Amino acid sequence: QKEVEQDPGPLSVPEGAIVSLNCTYSNSAFQYFMWYRQYSRKGPELLMYTYSSGNKEDGRFTAQVDKSSKYISLFIRDSQPSDSATYLCAMSDDYKLSFGAGTTVTVRA
Amino acid sequence: DTAVSQTPKYLVTQMGNDKSIKCEQNLGHDTMYWYKQDSKKFLKIMFSYNNKELIINETVPNRFSPKSPDKAHLNLHINSLELGDSAVYFCASSSGSRDLSYEQYFGPGTRLTVT
Repeated sequence: QKEVEQDPGPLSVPEGAIVSLNCTYSNSAFQYFMWYRQYSRKGPELLMYTYSSGNKEDGRFTAQVDKSSKYISLFIRDSQPSDSATYLCAMSDDYKLSFGAGTTVTVRA
Repeated sequence: DTAVSQTPKYLVTQMGNDKSIKCEQNLGHDTMYWYKQDSKKFLKIMFSYNNKELIINETVPNRFSPKSPDKAHLNLHINSLELGDSAVYFCASSSGSRDLSYEQYFGPGTRLTVT
């Protein structure tokens, strides 16, 4: 079993829809929870991070962490075609990052 | 200015050859990493250096040897290339502060194809 599980999709939504992404994990030592966005043929870039449990909002993006359930989510409101990318969840135990497999999202105009 | 750069971007080579990938960062970061991303987009850490010292060495065949001549550079040399080494290799860097190690800056990747 992988440390971090993420449904690879793909996910296709119409413009303006809410995109919901999630990951589960098994390592209780994870303290930092991140979402990275990767456009085609580019390197990943940090989108959001959360320390421990809770919610964090940044514009159209909301990240949620539930440590008791070992479950994290990313919501994208009012999705745009420019949001089309692969979204990778990542978690840190203060030693290294462990990534999920990434979910490929396509927002149709 | 490119923050993390890698050369080459594309590398096509035959089985059994030896090749190197170079990485440079101009962010002043203390820590650099090598990741491998397979065809299913799964990104897995291989090595990490902090101030030229190896701090992470995941289960990677010893055909892979990282070298850090200074804290701004991290190179990856691969001996006796195999078909299974075909992947995209990403270099990344982060601040030396452990509190900020989650924020990693990635290079554009080197797409390695072994034939």
